[in-house]
Amino acid sequence: LAKTTQPISMDSYEGQEVNITCSHNNIATNDYITWYQQFPSQGPRFIIQGYKTKVTNEVASLFIPADRKSSTLSLPRVSLSDTAVYYCLVTFNNAGNMLTFGGGTRLMVKP
Amino acid sequence: EAGVAQSPRYKIIEKRQSVAFWCNPISGHATLYWYQQILGQGPKLLIQFQNNGVVDDSQLPKDRFSAERLKGVDSTLKIQPAKLEDSAVYLCASLGDSTYEQYFGPGTRLTVT
Repeated sequence: LAKTTQPISMDSYEGQEVNITCSHNNIATNDYITWYQQFPSQGPRFIIQGYKTKVTNEVASLFIPADRKSSTLSLPRVSLSDTAVYYCLVTFNNAGNMLTFGGGTRLMVKP
Repeated sequence: EAGVAQSPRYKIIEKRQSVAFWCNPISGHATLYWYQQILGQGPKLLIQFQNNGVVDDSQLPKDRFSAERLKGVDSTLKIQPAKLEDSAVYLCASLGDSTYEQYFGPGTRLTVT
C-alpha cells in the first residue's frame, strides 16, 4: 500500500477553515483515500473516503486532484471540539480492511 | 446501534504478568480487528478475524500475544508474559459486510510496570 505523508501538527482558530494535505505519491489504481479522526482517549472514527475529484459529507470535504498523488481534507468553520488527530490512509479498493495508520496530523483549534 | 464494547478500560500490571482484554463488536459485524496504539503513534494492526477465522496475524508477536474469537462474535486478546514495551492502548474495531468504515471501541489502556 502507498505510504502517506502529512504534517505532524497544525494550529487554527475557531471559525476558520482548516485544510490538511496528505501526500501519497505511490497510490495505485485500486486504492482509495480515507481519513479518520481520533479524539484523546477514544478510538479513531471514520470521517470520509474518496477516489477522485471531490467528496463532501456533513463533516468534511475531500479534494483529490486528477493525478491522485495528494489529497486535502477540508474542515469548514472548525470549533474547539475539532481538536484531534487526523489520519490519512490509503486503502485497497474501498474495503475497510488493511488499515495502515501513520502518525497523523495533530490539529489544535484555539479560541 | 450499540458500538464496539471493550473491557477493561484501564489495566496496570507488573512485567512478566499476564493480562486479557475483551471485545464485543457491533452486532452482525463479521470482521474484527485488534490494534495496538503506542502513545504518540497511529494504531498498528495486530490481528484480523473474519468470523472465527484469522485473516491476518502477521504483526502479532506470537511468542507472547494470542487472540481468539471462538464463536465468531466477541474476542479476547491475551498477553503472557507482559513486557514494559507492551504499555499501550489496545483498540478493537469491527467491520460490516457491506461497509468500508471500521468502527473502533474506546480501547483498553495497559500500563506495564
